[in-house]
Amino acid sequence: TQLLEQSPQFLSIQEGENLTVYCNSSSVFSSLQWYRQEPGEGPVLLVTVVTGGEVKKLKRLTFQFGDARKDSSLHITAAQPGDTGLYLCAGASQGTSYGKLTFGQGTILTVHP
Amino acid sequence: DSGVTQTPKHLITATGQRVTLRCSPRSGDLSVYWYQQSLDQGLQFLIQYYNGEERAKGNILERFSAQQFPDLHSELNLSSLELGDSALYFCASSVGISGETQYFGPGTRLLVL
Repeated sequence: TQLLEQSPQFLSIQEGENLTVYCNSSSVFSSLQWYRQEPGEGPVLLVTVVTGGEVKKLKRLTFQFGDARKDSSLHITAAQPGDTGLYLCAGASQGTSYGKLTFGQGTILTVHP
Repeated sequence: DSGVTQTPKHLITATGQRVTLRCSPRSGDLSVYWYQQSLDQGLQFLIQYYNGEERAKGNILERFSAQQFPDLHSELNLSSLELGDSALYFCASSVGISGETQYFGPGTRLLVL
């Protein structure tokens, strides 16, 4: 069974601070996706990383896929209250003919003004 | 708006009953995925259909079943409902079978009383 461990589970910071969320597994994934979810709504895809060592930037968000494709991180620079939400990482299984995603438990981020 | 639609948005029913959740994927997407999200289990993969055929099964109970129709919309049937089935049910879709980029619908919130 593939597992994705996300940390920290909760993060409460002040506006303007930087933060990093980690997503780790002992399994290799063909790709890893990051989602943001607001209460009562569906997860919204932020980014997909596919290549080991890949770094993608989305405004103040920087996503990195580990060289071995077992881990990923999300770094937010100068966090804003609008960044508040549940952040989920999800891995796509390698070498399969289906698209099951394994999700981490999520990180609840609260950014205080 | 992800382009994935789900109905109904809310559903309240009693134990022992049967309900049907409906999902329409994004235009052009052939894969449909169903996920269950609860506070204690997080986001769990249930089942995947690709172009009308079942491709992968996750931790889906025998009381639950799904199908994808020729027009590619999908339905998730939940029967003999129990209190523990109360959760958010999400549908996601992707273009291909590998599911590396999945787009989620707004979800159906099911409450079993």
